[in-house]
Amino acid sequence: DAGVIQSPRHEVTEMGQEVTLRCKPISGHNSLFWYRQTMMRGLELLIYFNNNVPIDDSGMPEDRFSAKMPNASFSTLKIQPSEPRDSAVYFCASSPPGQGWGNIQYFGAGTRLSVL
Amino acid sequence: AQSVTQPDIHITVSEGASLELRCNYSYGATPYLFWYVQSPGQGLQLLLKYFSGDTLVQGIKGFEAEFKRSQSSFNLRKPSVHWSDAAEYFCAVSSGGGNKLTFGTGTQLKVEL
Repeated sequence: DAGVIQSPRHEVTEMGQEVTLRCKPISGHNSLFWYRQTMMRGLELLIYFNNNVPIDDSGMPEDRFSAKMPNASFSTLKIQPSEPRDSAVYFCASSPPGQGWGNIQYFGAGTRLSVL
Repeated sequence: AQSVTQPDIHITVSEGASLELRCNYSYGATPYLFWYVQSPGQGLQLLLKYFSGDTLVQGIKGFEAEFKRSQSSFNLRKPSVHWSDAAEYFCAVSSGGGNKLTFGTGTQLKVEL
């Protein structure tokens, strides 16, 4: 299996621009998570989906952030408009169904976002 | 609410020395516990997990961890550290009924040659 695939790996954009981060979870996994990692705040859960439905978006910082999961094999995290304070590494993770084993999350390599 | 504390932000050990990284959790019931490792520029990789049963669990790369309910701890150990172990290590906890993980702030490990 190719693992969780994120694109792009690096994104540099200017303040005010729209940014879209993409994630392909591991086939057969039914939960998907978006995290943000910064030096100041560490690893923060932004939102997670179960069976393509958003379950908990309490970590989404503000209305500029939105996430979608149109099908089981694809998710996007969008920032519009972007701001310099959004600069961070964004990780996507997925986990298989079921208790116990379902708690194991498999991470992608991340997208490093720089907003100038 | 569940929480995880990793009291050591940075640890430096010599190659070949033993290692122990501390993790304390707060959770009302029996937790599901994890250790993840993050190498520079990479995502997080699962080292080991505890769900139930034997309180001493073995993981990849020669790591082990011991669950101690009385101390609310799940410390990570390795008897002999290799230079390639230099990375950031995260402890995490999850409830049994859901798969949302709560991560600690991480411990940065430096290995001196």
